[in-house]
Amino acid sequence: KAGVTQTPRYLIKTRGQQVTLSCSPISGHRSVSWYQQTPGQGLQFLFEYFSETQRNKGNFPGRFSGRQFSNSRSEMNVSTLELGDSALYLCATRTANTGELFFGEGSRLTVL
Amino acid sequence: GEDVEQSLFLSVREGDSSVINCTYTDSSSTYLYWYKQEPGAGLQLLTYIFSNMDMKQDQRLTVLLNKKDKHLSLRIADTQTGDSAIYFCAETDQTGANNLFFGTGTRLTVIP
Repeated sequence: KAGVTQTPRYLIKTRGQQVTLSCSPISGHRSVSWYQQTPGQGLQFLFEYFSETQRNKGNFPGRFSGRQFSNSRSEMNVSTLELGDSALYLCATRTANTGELFFGEGSRLTVL
Repeated sequence: GEDVEQSLFLSVREGDSSVINCTYTDSSSTYLYWYKQEPGAGLQLLTYIFSNMDMKQDQRLTVLLNKKDKHLSLRIADTQTGDSAIYFCAETDQTGANNLFFGTGTRLTVIP
């Protein structure tokens, strides 16, 4: 079956702009989690959505938000971009709150 | 909060064994995981171990868990150049929601 699909794979924005990233989970996976990966901070959990509801949230400012649609696809949004938001944003999906996390290849955001 | 520590770099010669170490803090983690990230790719689950186990072997991979010392290791036998990647140790976070808390990652370089 198809894996986790993230779009876009690469994007460049400038400070102050906003960005929306998309994640399509594996068919049947209802849980979608987002992680930020940077060289300095490593992999950090952003939030998790399950059945269109945010179930858990990491320690990120309110500029980072997300949502999940009825087909389990998820989007995350970052507003008022800062240079430090440059990172690889990884989406991971699973069938429920247990079980293996399957990761997408990520969306690499560069903020200039 | 959780803290997962790994050494940043490891170099081995092709054909030798690699041992990647990890220490963690949350003794309540039910599962501990090893993920592999190749350049430009997302994370791939390599193996995991249930917290009541001491050892798990899966082909060339051996996971050892010392719960008393909160120490986890991944041994790769007969290391190949294709094993060059970043390896992440992860534990479930303290919220009980089974979100993962990752270590900083160990970059394994296999020298031909």
